[in-house]
Amino acid sequence: KAGVTQTPRYLIKTRGQQVTLSCSPISGHRSVSWYQQTPGQGLQFLFEYFSETQRNKGNFPGRFSGRQFSNSRSEMNVSTLELGDSALYLCASSLDREAYEQYFGPGTRLTVT
Amino acid sequence: AQSVTQLGSHVSVSEGALVLLRCNYSSSVPPYLFWYVQYPNQGLQLLLKYTTGATLVKGINGFEAEFKKSETSFHLTKPSAHMSDAAEYFCAVSGSGGGADGLTFGKGTHLIIQP
Repeated sequence: KAGVTQTPRYLIKTRGQQVTLSCSPISGHRSVSWYQQTPGQGLQFLFEYFSETQRNKGNFPGRFSGRQFSNSRSEMNVSTLELGDSALYLCASSLDREAYEQYFGPGTRLTVT
Repeated sequence: AQSVTQLGSHVSVSEGALVLLRCNYSSSVPPYLFWYVQYPNQGLQLLLKYTTGATLVKGINGFEAEFKKSETSFHLTKPSAHMSDAAEYFCAVSGSGGGADGLTFGKGTHLIIQP
């Protein structure tokens, strides 16, 4: 069974631009979560989607948004990029909302210049 | 609110020696606890988890951890370190909603294996 895939793997953007990251969960998984990883703040929860609905959101500004499609694929969008948004963005999928085992993708490395 | 504290940002052990990575948590609800490993330029891989039941949990690659409620700890151990164990290790906690609540991670411990 294929793992969680994230595209693109690397991305360079300029301040003020927007970016969209994509995540394809493991087949059959319906819950997708997003995390931001930075050297200073570590791993922080962004949001979780289940059945196309955002069920939970971390403490991030409204510039960070996401969505989930009917096939469980998910995208996250960051608008008006800031230098501090440079990070590794990780997507994780799980079988259902109450599943405790989350499977992580390799991440998208975003660099904002 | 939940939080995780990992003692020691770097831990160095000799190959073949005991590995002990410390994790203490704070949670207002019964916690679900996890250890993940991250190799360079990769995502996170689940090593083991505690949800309910037996407090000593065994994971992959010979790792195990013991949930001690009285000490609010969930330390990770491995009897004999191998060079391939060199990586970043993260302890995480969630509420009863599992992944839907979002995982709260510790800052991570970089494990160095000396030959």
